[in-house]
Amino acid sequence: QKEVEQNSGPLSVPEGAIASLNCTYSDRGSQSFFWYRQYSGKSPELIMFIYSNGDKEDGRFTAQLNKASQYVSLLIRDSQPSDSATYLCAVGGNNRLAFGKGNQVVVIP
Amino acid sequence: EAGVAQSPRYKIIEKRQSVAFWCNPISGHATLYWYQQILGQGPKLLIQFQNNGVVDDSQLPKDRFSAERLKGVDSTLKIQPAKLEDSAVYLCASSLGGVNQPQHFGDGTRLSIL
Repeated sequence: QKEVEQNSGPLSVPEGAIASLNCTYSDRGSQSFFWYRQYSGKSPELIMFIYSNGDKEDGRFTAQLNKASQYVSLLIRDSQPSDSATYLCAVGGNNRLAFGKGNQVVVIP
Repeated sequence: EAGVAQSPRYKIIEKRQSVAFWCNPISGHATLYWYQQILGQGPKLLIQFQNNGVVDDSQLPKDRFSAERLKGVDSTLKIQPAKLEDSAVYLCASSLGGVNQPQHFGDGTRLSIL
């Protein structure tokens, strides 16, 4: 089992809709959870981090963490064409940050 | 606040040649990371420094890769000799503390091996 899994294929959403991304992790002792956005040819950019169970909102982004089920999700409300990018889930634990392979989001005008 | 600085942005070399990358972290950030990102994959940690000490280099191919962070600020990553499979983007990141602190990435160096 991979440390961090992001299994969904490319996600196409209409402009203005909600994009939902999921990420599962294997280490039950993980303590920190991050979402990065990566535009094509650019480096990852931090958009959200969460440490406790529940929801954390920042503008149009909401991160949801469920440690019992070992998943973390990202919701993007009112999706805009500028949200078209690859979203990387990263999980911290055992002194290491492990990244998933990312999910591509395409917002269709 | 200045971000993480990396150079060069692009590098093309032939296999078996050597190459070096440089990184200057955000001021005050004690922890520095080097990642390798192959197209279509997430970043893979190569080495993590806390100040000038190595915290984790378990995924660094030590027969060809080396890294140092003298004086606990700037860092260099070297590959010698390069192989075709080393073609990737090499990312430097820094954070205030350990892995539970948000990491901030530089623009990366895109390495192509011919």
